[in-house]
Amino acid sequence: EADIYQTPRYLVIGTGKKITLECSQTMGHDKMYWYQQDPGMELHLIHYSYGVNSTEKGDLSSESTVSRIRTEHFPLTLESARPSHTSQYLCASSEARGGYTGELFFGEGSRLTVL
Amino acid sequence: SQKIEQNSEALNIQEGKTATLTCNYTNYSPAYLQWYRQDPGRGPVFLLLIRENEKEKRKERLKVTFDTTLKQSLFHITASQPADSATYLCVSPWRDSGNTPLVFGKGTRLSVIA
Repeated sequence: EADIYQTPRYLVIGTGKKITLECSQTMGHDKMYWYQQDPGMELHLIHYSYGVNSTEKGDLSSESTVSRIRTEHFPLTLESARPSHTSQYLCASSEARGGYTGELFFGEGSRLTVL
Repeated sequence: SQKIEQNSEALNIQEGKTATLTCNYTNYSPAYLQWYRQDPGRGPVFLLLIRENEKEKRKERLKVTFDTTLKQSLFHITASQPADSATYLCVSPWRDSGNTPLVFGKGTRLSVIA
């Protein structure tokens, strides 16, 4: 069982609300990621971090923002949620291993519904 | 632009047979590929990693190959069981450099019929 946790698991909110999806890992991994996945569709990388105070955007443009103030914590924030943000958000972490990215450990996901 | 493709959305096979899933990549040369399993509503789970200088990797009933000439990886499950039914994802580094984030193919949904 991977030691990476996401909260909330499920969230239903109204348009315009600010939300933060939490992600924490206890494995001491430097690398953390956020992926977005719609039902039956592929995962898209939206943000990643290679360490404290380091964040980058992924291959899918997202209106969300992230921060990495502590190694174990990588929260994702939407300042003003819209129905188009309805999706599943998956957090992952990995070790830094020489010349390649090690296996990804995923959390259980946060399923967001914006009404 | 670089792309990773799993050309079968779904694959149905009979229990006991070998399932073979295909992953192709274009316009780049990944240093390695990874394969994951995803069950509905869950995060993906890592299965195998194969580097570009490795032809084949095995783990129990799983086997993966990497053909840099064909730009293709094949993922095999031998003696398949209904419990193997899931979506299998081919994953590669975003760019040629190995130390970059991983991007996922669309996946192949495998159904093993008893």
